[in-house]
Amino acid sequence: AQSVTQLDSHVSVSEGTPVLLRCNYSSSYSPSLFWYVQHPNKGLQLLLKYTSAATLVKGINGFEAEFKKSETSFHLTKPSAHMSDAAEYFCVVSPGRRRALTFGSGTRLQVQP
Amino acid sequence: EAGVVQSPRYKIIEKKQPVAFWCNPISGHNTLYWYLQNLGQGPELLIRYENEEAVDDSQLPKDRFSAERLKGVDSTLKIQPAELGDSAVYLCASSLGASGSSYNEQFFGPGTRLTVL
Repeated sequence: AQSVTQLDSHVSVSEGTPVLLRCNYSSSYSPSLFWYVQHPNKGLQLLLKYTSAATLVKGINGFEAEFKKSETSFHLTKPSAHMSDAAEYFCVVSPGRRRALTFGSGTRLQVQP
Repeated sequence: EAGVVQSPRYKIIEKKQPVAFWCNPISGHNTLYWYLQNLGQGPELLIRYENEEAVDDSQLPKDRFSAERLKGVDSTLKIQPAELGDSAVYLCASSLGASGSSYNEQFFGPGTRLTVL
């Protein structure tokens, strides 16, 4: 079985400041981990993925995440927030290829001007 | 390249009425998923298809929900009869099948927002 816990339901930052969205996972397998973003009234979009290659994963729009097995964490970061980053972010775990994704409960990111 | 297409985008019905949602996956994607997303929560899997076969429907409430993917391409999800608690967003996603892909990247449609009155 696998699960993810997103430690913050809501994060607010000022434009130009760093973003940190926290995620811890639990998996019986060697997991694949993902971050998805959901803008209002739009479909979920993949930001980045970890699939047992490099532990520091770079994604789109300047986001990156680091897989830390010892801490069972996969936190999402961005050095400088932009207004367009305001959205809902989901940490996701999958036990393997073509299997269903298990989503966290989401973190809503607000970016203040 | 067209993404995952879903229709309708919004649906309002009265309780006890039937409703159906349609999904057309990305061309060439053999695996299709239906997810349910309640307000303020992450999506949860309802059913997964490999081509036309439902290989994981353990979370589908079979007393009122049904789904089909007759030709292994587009799919329909039905609720009959709908209940107040079915109000949610229904998401369809697709991914490549037995392509040798080493990870499970799923592409999501915009969803159908269902309101049951």
